[in-house]
Amino acid sequence: GNSVTQMEGPVTLSEEAFLTINCTYTATGYPSLFWYVQYPGEGLQLLLKATKADDKGSNKGFEATYRKETTSFHLEKGSVQVSDSAVYFCALIKDSNYQLIWGAGTKLIIKP
Amino acid sequence: DAGVTQSPTHLIKTRGQQVTLRCSPISGHKSVSWYQQVLGQGPQFIFQYYEKEERGRGNFPDRFSARQFPNYSSELNVNALLLGDSALYLCASSQRVAAGGNQPQHFGDGTRLSIL
Repeated sequence: GNSVTQMEGPVTLSEEAFLTINCTYTATGYPSLFWYVQYPGEGLQLLLKATKADDKGSNKGFEATYRKETTSFHLEKGSVQVSDSAVYFCALIKDSNYQLIWGAGTKLIIKP
Repeated sequence: DAGVTQSPTHLIKTRGQQVTLRCSPISGHKSVSWYQQVLGQGPQFIFQYYEKEERGRGNFPDRFSARQFPNYSSELNVNALLLGDSALYLCASSQRVAAGGNQPQHFGDGTRLSIL
């Protein structure tokens, strides 16, 4: 079946460090891929998305590239800020289905 | 424009009781989905409704039911509550059925349900 695997957290970094959060998926066909972010005490917000192979989604300095050959969608940011502290979720959706399939989430802690 | 609104924000119930959670989608959005998020885990899909019809159902028991009203708002009902039903219940809306990546889902802040 379809599934999403994320690196376990928490990930703790210093401000201005480079961030990578790994995400791999299992799915038949060509799913669309998403990163959502959940700030403390808030709901889920769409961070970025990619709908086909080699697409790069980007937003707020975050980027992720849809790599079909490695079934990956790793989230990166060149210089993180304390305000980036949150839980990040990788998710996929199939064209033939209507539900988002989620990873377990990765908690990111940025220290000043 | 207002985002997805859910009520109540917090709820405490005891085992065996019944609960109704409510969701109002973004204006113009006709599709509503419900997810359960247990602490420390990713959300799990429960239902999706579009134009008042059920379009998808996740792997949840029949104690869980939902409906969508003519104004596209939605209710999630859970009967015979169990301790394991304690979770954050999230509602998401999209303009149309979320087929593919071109209909991103917008989430509310959720209802925190605690079962004692």
